[in-house]
Amino acid sequence: EIVLTQSPGTLSLSPGERATLSCRASQSVSSSSLAWYQQKPGQAPRLLMYGASSRATGIPDRFSGSGSGTDSTLTISRLEPEDFAVYYCQHYGSSPTFGPGTKVDIK
Amino acid sequence: EVQLVQSGAEVKKPGESLKISCKGSGYSFSSSWIGWVRQMPGKGLEWMGIIYPGDSDTRYSPSFQGQVTISADKSISTAYLQWSSLKASDTAMYYCARQTISAAPIDYWGQGTLVTVSS
Repeated sequence: EIVLTQSPGTLSLSPGERATLSCRASQSVSSSSLAWYQQKPGQAPRLLMYGASSRATGIPDRFSGSGSGTDSTLTISRLEPEDFAVYYCQHYGSSPTFGPGTKVDIK
Repeated sequence: EVQLVQSGAEVKKPGESLKISCKGSGYSFSSSWIGWVRQMPGKGLEWMGIIYPGDSDTRYSPSFQGQVTISADKSISTAYLQWSSLKASDTAMYYCARQTISAAPIDYWGQGTLVTVSS
């Protein structure tokens, strides 16, 4: 089973700043099998990115993703107030797993 | 519009059995996979397993194999997550979630069912 680690655990930033979130896999994964989700308190998660770099329907273009090998990155170019949330990466291959999450909070 | 509507919150005692449900609408229920994701209080997401309602092909995470049972009734577009003997450590929010194929991201989520197990 692939184990995902995310860093940092918490990212404290101000609106308008750039956020860079990392996800590292315990072994090389296909970038086509990597997704990112956003979860706000009291809500179900929401799909942001899939295939490492494809935005899900309705996701604004300030969100972007990249990755290869064991490392993937989610970037939020300019944080909006609604972007403060917890972000999870997921490998959705034959035995899906989630990373532990990165909390983006207001500085 | 795709919707996954889950059954309501449950409060149970250790050792009791439980079956929670997830009803899909707005898409061909039999032709997509439905999975379950656990979120323990204050913790992250854990993928539990999935089922293809069309033929009941079911796959479990190694962590949940033998601990829960996933089933589906395609005639009423409903998937289930079942426990035969609950433990306090089963206390969590459980989300149902749709995947278009078995190796696909989750594109739709249910609203969650909170299960509390306490004596």
